[in-house]
Amino acid sequence: NAGVTQTPKFRILKIGQSMTLQCTQDMNHNYMYWYRQDPGMGLKLIYYSVGAGITDKGEVPNGYNVSRSTTEDFPLRLELAAPSQTSVYFCASILGGGDQETQYFGPGTRLLVL
Amino acid sequence: GENVEQHPSTLSVQEGDSAVIKCTYSDSASNYFPWYKQELGKGPQLIIDIRSNVGEKKDQRIAVTLNKTAKHFSLHITETQPEDSAVYFCAAYNDYKLSFGAGTTVTVRA
Repeated sequence: NAGVTQTPKFRILKIGQSMTLQCTQDMNHNYMYWYRQDPGMGLKLIYYSVGAGITDKGEVPNGYNVSRSTTEDFPLRLELAAPSQTSVYFCASILGGGDQETQYFGPGTRLLVL
Repeated sequence: GENVEQHPSTLSVQEGDSAVIKCTYSDSASNYFPWYKQELGKGPQLIIDIRSNVGEKKDQRIAVTLNKTAKHFSLHITETQPEDSAVYFCAAYNDYKLSFGAGTTVTVRA
């Protein structure tokens, strides 16, 4: 198993540009998550999904969109990038269900908006 | 929603000494409490976890304790080594989501 994979590893965007951060997991996990981590800070939940076709907002959803058309993939879309979206983005997944809450993280995507 | 507070924010210990990080949570419905270690430039890695029906769990040099009544849980690292230097995060699971503490930067001095 590759676990949780994210692409790209690093990206520079200009203000107003758009991009999609890709996340894929091959563990057949039901729940998937997107977090952002600003320098020296903790993890803030952007969006999450408890299954294909189901998504919900986390703490900081403004400026982002997600979709979950398959169990494996959970892309994060940034529309009209702003400097405030400069951060490291982590995707994570959980199998879900009774006693299956262990969360596995991807390696992260570093995004710089200039 | 759940609110997790973590202390201290930084911790410097002499190699071989113990390190303790403490967290509190607000929602009594939270039932799973993992601890993550994050090294520079990497994603968080699970190091130990505990469920709400257990009071203590140990794995070699690391241990976690949970006091459900007080809504406290703690990470204990004994015989610290240079490779223990990292940022540590506590978290509480409830309603399909993990809520994270702000992190503790641990530095082990040789």
